[in-house]
Amino acid sequence: EPEVTQTPSHQVTQMGQEVILRCVPISNHLYFYWYRQILGQKVEFLVSFYNNEISEKSEIFDDQFSVERPDGSNFTLKIRSTKLEDSAMYFCASTLLGTDTQYFGPGTRLTVL
Amino acid sequence: GENVEQHPSTLSVQEGDSAVIKCTYSDSASNYFPWYKQELGKRPQLIIDIRSNVGEKKDQRIAVTLNKTAKHFSLHITETQPEDSAVYFCAASFQTGANNLFFGTGTRLTVIP
Repeated sequence: EPEVTQTPSHQVTQMGQEVILRCVPISNHLYFYWYRQILGQKVEFLVSFYNNEISEKSEIFDDQFSVERPDGSNFTLKIRSTKLEDSAMYFCASTLLGTDTQYFGPGTRLTVL
Repeated sequence: GENVEQHPSTLSVQEGDSAVIKCTYSDSASNYFPWYKQELGKRPQLIIDIRSNVGEKKDQRIAVTLNKTAKHFSLHITETQPEDSAVYFCAASFQTGANNLFFGTGTRLTVIP
């Protein structure tokens, strides 16, 4: 069964550094999402993406965040200048057009020191 | 925006007993309610979902009920097994297409053999 994949599984960075988290959605899916989960807390919506543009974004998704689909398979989340509070598990998800079910990737654990 | 409350935060049951997890939502426009199971260190996995035009849905030992008037929905697991132990998240969304999910705070279910 096709799955969403994410790399890296764990990223450690220094505060103020830029990080790029990568996702490969399921191949025929057209809606893509990023969520984050701070340790022990609920999953929070960051941004949704469709047709090469942002559909919705939450208050968390400020100017430090950006998303891109650089080619036909990858979907990336960039954090320009990381803060300590950006430490979290970041999940990518994707959905087939016309359906509701979101399939989650395994996540990238981001640790900001 | 949508606010989803989930109770209880932890639940312990004996193997073979039933478990019930309850969620409430705030936005009456929400029309899609999935439940995700997350095992330690793994991705959230969809286990069942329900749309607002249906009051109940069942899949083997798992059932979900929805009360639109009261704006609450519940997950019922019967004949619990140790492998049901995990964190369960409810979620709600109110858009088709880019249906951003708003998650509850999670319930840690422990099934005692």
